[in-house]
Amino acid sequence: SQTIHQWPATLVQPVGSPLSLECTVEGTSNPNLYWYRQAAGRGLQLLFYSVGIGQISSEVPQNLSASRPQDWQFILSSKKLLLSDSGFYLCAWGGLHQETQYFGPGTRLLVL
Amino acid sequence: QQQVKQSPQSLIVQKGGISIINCAYENTAFDYFPWYQQFPGKGPALLIAIRPDVSEKKEGRFTISFNKSAKQFSLHIMDSQPGDSATYFCAASRFWGFGNVLHCGSGTQVIVLP
Repeated sequence: SQTIHQWPATLVQPVGSPLSLECTVEGTSNPNLYWYRQAAGRGLQLLFYSVGIGQISSEVPQNLSASRPQDWQFILSSKKLLLSDSGFYLCAWGGLHQETQYFGPGTRLLVL
Repeated sequence: QQQVKQSPQSLIVQKGGISIINCAYENTAFDYFPWYQQFPGKGPALLIAIRPDVSEKKEGRFTISFNKSAKQFSLHIMDSQPGDSATYFCAASRFWGFGNVLHCGSGTQVIVLP
């Protein structure tokens, strides 16, 4: 069966510090991968998606970036965090040519 | 511009009652409409999904009603239980061959009183 992991589960970072969140998927090959952000009391905002290694599409211009160094690995990064980057970050995967997306457990990021 | 609008923002229902959440969309190219359930501090879990060629889909106590002409769809939770207390998200997407991008509603917090 397929499983999706995210770490860390919780992160508290000062403004201006760098960020690296990792997402990995097991049990499937060539998945589509997605990064979403969920602000408190709001819906999900798509940040990035990837259909393959090195292929990243950005939905929202901001100080975040994403990379996919391995087929099963998706990384969300920032060089300098802003207060507005606080939120709940969710990684999701979907099968190639399939519509359903499955979410990971999320990372709670608090920027102080 | 939010492509999927969801209401109400929150609702409280007695145990055994019916919870109804409504969503509306604008893009007629959307062809997949899932609902997710999310508990506090957890990632959303797929609850049920529907395609526009079907007007209703039922899975256990959860039913999606879909009105293509009105561009609206809704989730009905029958015989609501305290364990159903969670946030529910509707979403819409258009499949583009390799995958899709979910456009999500803002979520509805459902509280079921015992």
